[in-house]
Amino acid sequence: GNSVTQMEGPVTLSEEAFLTINCTYTATGYPSLFWYVQYPGEGLQLLLKATKADDKGSNKGFEATYRKETTSFHLEKGSVQVSDSAVYFCALSPPQGGSEKLVFGKGTKLTVNP
Amino acid sequence: DGGITQSPKYLFRKEGQNVTLSCEQNLNHDAMYWYRQDPGQGLRLIYYSQIVNDFQKGDIAEGYSVSREKKESFPLTVTSAQKNPTAFYLCASSKREVKNTEAFFGQGTRLTVV
Repeated sequence: GNSVTQMEGPVTLSEEAFLTINCTYTATGYPSLFWYVQYPGEGLQLLLKATKADDKGSNKGFEATYRKETTSFHLEKGSVQVSDSAVYFCALSPPQGGSEKLVFGKGTKLTVNP
Repeated sequence: DGGITQSPKYLFRKEGQNVTLSCEQNLNHDAMYWYRQDPGQGLRLIYYSQIVNDFQKGDIAEGYSVSREKKESFPLTVTSAQKNPTAFYLCASSKREVKNTEAFFGQGTRLTVV
């Protein structure tokens, strides 16, 4: 079946450090891939997405590239800020649609210190 | 504005009581989902529904019940059979048939047993 595996946290960085959160997936066909962010006490918000191989999603300085050959969708940011402290979830939407459900990774907590 | 509304934001339940969490969406989405989130944990799927009057159990359905009488609404009942209901509950919705569909989340309901 479909699954998402992302690196376990927590991740603690200093402000302006480089961020990478790894995400790999298992799926038949070509799923769509997403990164969501959850700030404390809130629901999840879509951060970025990619719908086909080699697509790069980007938003708020974050980027992730859909790599079919390595089945990966790693999240990166060149210079993190304190305001980026949150939990990040990698997810996939199955290509078949229909009754297939969305699949989420377990989340990675990021803390950025001043 | 279109979106998902969960209510209440905070809910307190006494031992042995059933409580119902509300989830309403005006995005015209077919699919709706309920997730449970515990501190430091990822999302665990409780129930999901791909169409009105139909729903499927997720990974942790025991002690919970749902209904889907209207497209816009997907209430979750936490029954007295749920032994450890204190958690953060998230409702989400998405399109069903279209690939690339992303999930939209509500702000969550924090349930506490007192």
